[in-house]
Amino acid sequence: AQTVTQSQPEMSVQEAETVTLSCTYDTSESDYYLFWYKQPPSRQMILVIRQEAYKQQNATENRFSVNFQKAAKSFSLKISDSQLGDAAMYFCAYTGYGGATNKLIFGTGTLLAVQP
Amino acid sequence: DAGVIQSPRHEVTEMGQEVTLRCKPISGHDYLFWYRQTMMRGLELLIYFNNNVPIDDSGMPEDRFSAKMPNASFSTLKIQPSEPRDSAVYFCASSPRGDTQYFGPGTRLTVL
Repeated sequence: AQTVTQSQPEMSVQEAETVTLSCTYDTSESDYYLFWYKQPPSRQMILVIRQEAYKQQNATENRFSVNFQKAAKSFSLKISDSQLGDAAMYFCAYTGYGGATNKLIFGTGTLLAVQP
Repeated sequence: DAGVIQSPRHEVTEMGQEVTLRCKPISGHDYLFWYRQTMMRGLELLIYFNNNVPIDDSGMPEDRFSAKMPNASFSTLKIQPSEPRDSAVYFCASSPRGDTQYFGPGTRLTVL
């Protein structure tokens, strides 16, 4: 069974600095998708970034980028130039490819605080 | 373009009452998912539909929970009778192909 592990329950960063959130996963599949979702205090689950496992290039979305290491099964999120609005719970998630299973498997989350 | 719409946003009810949560997916999305989030269990998939057909309902806690998708633009999750342990945030999400999922704002359910 697939699992997703986030080993940092809480992180803190100064405004304008860079922070990296860690995520590891376990799977026997070769093709899959990985995601980072942000959940601010409003509780809305917001898609931050997505990575397709068959793509070697790391995904980027403005200030957000990932370091995808397929062999190590590692998928970290880097937030550059941190802003107060980045404060939220961040969830790493996995789903299989090709419709065999469409279940999103979530990690336990990392609570990010941004200090002014 | 409108995102996933859920109603109500908040629901407070008494134990034993029937609760119905509603979801309108993003137009053109073929997949719809219902999740529950609690502090103890995190995010759990309850059920998902593909083209209005339930595909996997193994996450539905028990017979008190039921979900329907009568058409491509509407789904309901019903709890009857409700119990205090059902208190949670319930999310609906939709996806065009089953991979990337877009979540609604959630319904916060409190059962007294």
